[in-house]
Order: sequence, then C-alpha cells, then structure tokens
Amino acid sequence: KAGVTQTPRYLIKTRGQQVTLSCSPISGHRSVSWYQQTPGQGLQFLFEYFSETQRNKGNFPGRFSGRQFSNSRSEMNVSTLELGDSALYLCASSSSAGRGGEKLFFGSGTQLSVL
Amino acid sequence: LAKTTQPISMDSYEGQEVNITCSHNNIATNDYITWYQQFPSQGPRFIIQGYKTKVTNEVASLFIPADRKSSTLSLPRVSLSDTAVYYCLVGGAYSGAGSYQLTFGKGTKLSVIP
Repeated sequence: KAGVTQTPRYLIKTRGQQVTLSCSPISGHRSVSWYQQTPGQGLQFLFEYFSETQRNKGNFPGRFSGRQFSNSRSEMNVSTLELGDSALYLCASSSSAGRGGEKLFFGSGTQLSVL
Repeated sequence: LAKTTQPISMDSYEGQEVNITCSHNNIATNDYITWYQQFPSQGPRFIIQGYKTKVTNEVASLFIPADRKSSTLSLPRVSLSDTAVYYCLVGGAYSGAGSYQLTFGKGTKLSVIP
C-alpha cells in the first residue's frame, strides 16, 4: 500500500500570499487530519476531516481552512500568510471508524517558508 | 482534553534499555495512549498503542498502571538509529461532533550515544 503523500515537499511564499497544500491518504482511509509543527510550539492539531466533513478544529485563526474530497484527498489552505506561518505542515490519515484507538499514518510534510 | 507531560530530553548509551514516561492526569475513560517516533524532516511514525496494563510489539513495550494517569514507553537495547523525538499521544476516541481531540505533547528528544 502506498503511504500518505503530501505535495509539494517545499514551498516558499511571501507575506500576504495564500497557499494550498495537498494530502493523499492511504487507500481506504477516510480520515485526514492536519498538523502544524514549529520548533517553538511542537505539533499542533489544525483540523480533521472524515467523509468530506470537518469533524473537529484546533485553535487556529480562520485563515487556516481545509476541505476533503469524495476520494478522501484533502487540501489545506492558508490565506494572507504571515511570517509565523512558516512551519512543517503534516497530514495524517487513519481508517477512523470513530471507535477510538486511532493509528495515524503521517506523510513527510510540506515545509513552508514565508518570507 | 488530556494534556501530556514528558521529559524534554534523554541520553542513553547504545545497548541500554530506555524508559520514557508520559504523564496524563486527566485522561478520559475512552482515551487510548499512543506513542510515535519522529526523525528530522519526517512525519511521526506509529510505535505502539495501549489502553491499560502492558502491551508489547517487536520494537517496544508500553506499561500503563491501573489508574492510567501515566504510561512508560520502553525501548530495549537502543541503537544509534533510535535517536529521535518520541511523542506520547492521548485521545483518539470520537464521541460526537467536535469532541475528537488529539493532543501531542512536546515530545522527548532521545539521543543515543555510541
């Protein structure tokens, strides 16, 4: 089985621009969650999608949004980029039937640099 | 929302057993405890998961006391390739809209010394 694929691997943007990141989950997985990782804050939960519906959202401003398509692929969008948005953005997929004990499979991430 | 606390860093010599403890005092009844390993510039990788007592797989053991307020990841005979950040994650049970919570701690940076 192919793993979780994130594209692009690296991205450089300037302040005020917007960016879209893509995540293809493991085949058959219906849950995709997104995380921001920075040296200072560690791994922070952004949001999670299951069957095209956002099930939960972390404490991030509305500039961070996402969506999931019918094939479970997900995109994350950040508008009006700020310097502090520079981070490694990770996505994870799981089969997530909602019964607990979720095992997350992570992609390698997209390293976003905002100049 | 169960918050986790781990040591920031640990050093160990090759061949030794390493135990990393995670505190999660307000763990919920339906929360699982999961440990992940992360190398630089990569996503975390699942190591082991448990709910109570002891779980063992081919790479690690997980010890969970009866009150479930802490857990200990045990890595037998570590090698240089085990140098990584280890995260304890509590949660994962979805019990209604907006209640799916995942909390990653700051992680423990394990350095294995030759």
